[in-house]
Amino acid sequence: SQTIHQWPATLVQPVGSPLSLECTVEGTSNPNLYWYRQAAGRGLQLLFYSVGIGQISSEVPQNLSASRPQDRQFILSSKKLLLSDSGFYLCALDRDRTNTEAFFGQGTRLTVV
Amino acid sequence: GQNIDQPTEMTATEGAIVQINCTYQTSGFNGLFWYQQHAGEAPTFLSYNVLDGLEEKGRFSSFLSRSKGYSYLLLKELQMKDSASYLCAVREAYKLSFGAGTTVTVRA
Repeated sequence: SQTIHQWPATLVQPVGSPLSLECTVEGTSNPNLYWYRQAAGRGLQLLFYSVGIGQISSEVPQNLSASRPQDRQFILSSKKLLLSDSGFYLCALDRDRTNTEAFFGQGTRLTVV
Repeated sequence: GQNIDQPTEMTATEGAIVQINCTYQTSGFNGLFWYQQHAGEAPTFLSYNVLDGLEEKGRFSSFLSRSKGYSYLLLKELQMKDSASYLCAVREAYKLSFGAGTTVTVRA
């Protein structure tokens, strides 16, 4: 069965600093990969999704970017963090284009101070 | 794009039944999912509908009407541990988008 590794679990970063969150997948190949952000008490906002290596679709214009250098690696980055970037960042995958559920990593709680 | 709407909060009594509605608009429907999320944790999968009708899994059931863009999640015999946020998600082609979630509070 597939597993998703996200790290770190919590992160506190100053405004203006860079960010790199990594998500790696085991137990499956060629998955769809997703980055979501969840503000406190809110729903999941889709940030980026990827259907393959080097293929990134952005959902919300912002100062974040994503890359997929390998099939099982999905990276979320920022050159300069804003206070509004604080939130719970979740990486997710699904294996099929249609009828399988998405599985989530345990998330990274980012606080920008 | 997708508009996914669900109520913000619901409260029910232990042992009772609660129904969480979800309406959506999408140009290329490819399945509807329900997830449960406890505070501070990642969402966990509850149910999936791609065809019209009712899917039952123990105490949880989910219904879909594609023509109406409507789904509901039915929670029976509520337990205190069911207090959580319930997220409706719609897949459109390669994209999976979520509603804002419904916080269910179960009271003794």
